[in-house]
Amino acid sequence: DADVTQTPRNRITKTGKRIMLECSQTKGHDRMYWYRQDPGLGLRLIYYSFDVKDINKGEISDGYSVSRQAQAKFSLSLESAIPNQTALYFCATTDSNTGELFFGEGSRLTVL
Amino acid sequence: EDQVTQSPEALRLQEGESSSLNCSYTVSGLRGLFWYRQDPGKGPEFLFTLYSAGEEKEKERLKATLTKKESFLHITAPKPEDSATYLCAVGKGTYKYIFGTGTRLKVLA
Repeated sequence: DADVTQTPRNRITKTGKRIMLECSQTKGHDRMYWYRQDPGLGLRLIYYSFDVKDINKGEISDGYSVSRQAQAKFSLSLESAIPNQTALYFCATTDSNTGELFFGEGSRLTVL
Repeated sequence: EDQVTQSPEALRLQEGESSSLNCSYTVSGLRGLFWYRQDPGKGPEFLFTLYSAGEEKEKERLKATLTKKESFLHITAPKPEDSATYLCAVGKGTYKYIFGTGTRLKVLA
């Protein structure tokens, strides 16, 4: 089983719908991240969390919200999806000693 | 402004044809430089971390090196299964990672 699991892997939705992407990890790391990947733009940080009570905005948080339900669970919500949120979304955890990021398999979201 | 630039954007090699990928950076307070491999539709997979200039790491046909301004990922005698996008990222501060846009490598049999 993957150390970082994302669901759903693929989702097609319509403009204005609420969407939740879920992430769970078994690595025991405190730090979790949500990134967005677009062609030619690289990975951009949406939100990050150092523990259950510590949630912070990244560089592109507008239109997104997150919830850290437990050390192992970090979900990303789009309250009212719009077409330019069509992208590949990645959850990641990091080993705070080495700084290495461990990514999930990604959630491909298409907003029509 | 912190920036990470990877070159070339795309590279086609014949099997066995060695080459290097470049990652240049202008980031103050580097905490580490990270290389990842990403296959289509998959999440980035960790390859190497380099912490200081002069450091080198090797894994199979891959070798990563670091200077004060750039890192190289050397691929020796590549095979078709090495085809992927290779990403580099610079760690800064307690949480920030600045990613390059990647080099798409295609190795032809």
